[in-house]
Amino acid sequence: DVKVTQSSRYLVKRTGEKVFLECVQDMDHENMFWYRQDPGLGLRLIYFSYDVKMKEKGDIPEGYSVSREKKERFSLILESASTNQTSMYLCASSLWTVGNIQYFGAGTRLSVL
Amino acid sequence: KNEVEQSPQNLTAQEGEFITINCSYSVGISALHWLQQHPGGGIVSLFMLSSGKKKHGRLIATINIQEKHSSLHITASHPRDSAVYICAVSVGGSQGNLIFGKGTKLSVKP
Repeated sequence: DVKVTQSSRYLVKRTGEKVFLECVQDMDHENMFWYRQDPGLGLRLIYFSYDVKMKEKGDIPEGYSVSREKKERFSLILESASTNQTSMYLCASSLWTVGNIQYFGAGTRLSVL
Repeated sequence: KNEVEQSPQNLTAQEGEFITINCSYSVGISALHWLQQHPGGGIVSLFMLSSGKKKHGRLIATINIQEKHSSLHITASHPRDSAVYICAVSVGGSQGNLIFGKGTKLSVKP
């Protein structure tokens, strides 16, 4: 079974802190994705990566950066957390092929106070 | 206008009822996905389809490419089916990116 593991289920941070969200997948998938999910807005793509050290902006990249130094690990970084970044963050991975199934992690619920 | 529209937004059913959730899209797609999200967050892929119909247990997904419409049916619904159901489409050339609908929250009462 594909496993996508996010490092934390719940996280509470202060405004201005630097926050790292980690995601690891064990199926040698090329693609990895970071989404945020907010009530009434659905899933929105922040960044994705289709290979090591490669990244592409999604729909809402502002205030975020990412790092993919190894194929299995994709990190989301909030350089200076703000209250409007309080949200559920979901990581996913998939094979490179267009249309392929994405496998999701359990999510990290981040609260920025 | 959103590229992927789902209806209804919320749905309450009695146990045993037949349920239909609809998804319409306005872009050319390579595949359509139905996903399930239980309270607590985790998202699971139910179906990926590009034509016709797929069935898994009590779940059936259909797609009409000409009408740009898909339906997810649940037969003999059960309280454990209570979840958010999300429709998403793969757009050709987008390297696996998905465009998501806003989801349908289903509650099945015993």
